[in-house]
Amino acid sequence: LAKTTQPISMDSYEGQEVNITCSHNNIATNDYITWYQQFPSQGPRFIIQGYKTKVTNEVASLFIPADRKSSTLSLPRVSLSDTAVYYCLVGPHGSSNTGKLIFGQGTTLQVKP
Amino acid sequence: GAGVSQSPSNKVTEKGKDVELRCDPISGHTALYWYRQRLGQGLEFLIYFQGNSAPDKSGLPSDRFSAERTGESVSTLTIQRTQQEDSAVYLCASSQSGIRRNEQFFGPGTRLTVL
Repeated sequence: LAKTTQPISMDSYEGQEVNITCSHNNIATNDYITWYQQFPSQGPRFIIQGYKTKVTNEVASLFIPADRKSSTLSLPRVSLSDTAVYYCLVGPHGSSNTGKLIFGQGTTLQVKP
Repeated sequence: GAGVSQSPSNKVTEKGKDVELRCDPISGHTALYWYRQRLGQGLEFLIYFQGNSAPDKSGLPSDRFSAERTGESVSTLTIQRTQQEDSAVYLCASSQSGIRRNEQFFGPGTRLTVL
C-alpha cells in the first residue's frame, strides 16, 4: 500500500481558503485518493475521493496532478466548525482483493476567529 | 436510514478479562472494517470483511484479538485477556462494494478502558 505524507498541523482563519497537500510517491495505477475528516470523539467522515485531475463536491475540491504523486484538498472559506483532523488515504477499490486503507496521523487543522 | 451502530459505547474492564464489542453495519453494505484509535493517534487498521471472502486479518496485533461477522450483518470483535495497552477507542465502519468501497461510514466507537 502506498504511504502518504501530510503536514501534522495547520492554522487558518475564518473565511480563508485552506489547502492541505498530501504526498504519495508510490501510488499504484489502481489506487484512488480519499480524504476523511474527523472531529474529536467522533469517527472519521468521508469527504471526497478522486483518481486524477479535479473533483469537486459541496464540501471540498480535490486536485490531483498528472503524475498523481500528490494531491491537494481545498476547503473554501473555512469556519470554526472545520477545525478537525484531515486524513489522506491511498488504496484500491472495487475488484481489488484488499479493502485495507491506511490512516496515517492526519493533519490537524485549527481554524481561528 | 440508520447509520453504523456500536455497542457498548463505553466499556471499563479489569486487566485479564475478556471483552466483546459489537458492530451493526448499514444494511446492504458488504464490507465491514474494525479500527483502533489510541488517544491522540491516527486510526490503526485491525480487520476487514468483504462478503463471503476470507477476512483480511493482517492488522490484528496479537492472537488475543479475533473478530467474526455473521453473513453481511453484525460483527463482533473479541479481545481476550485484556491488557492496559488495549485501552483505546474501537471504531467500526462499513461500505458498499465497487468504486464506493473507499467511502466508509463509521460508527461512534466503543471506548475501552482496561484498568
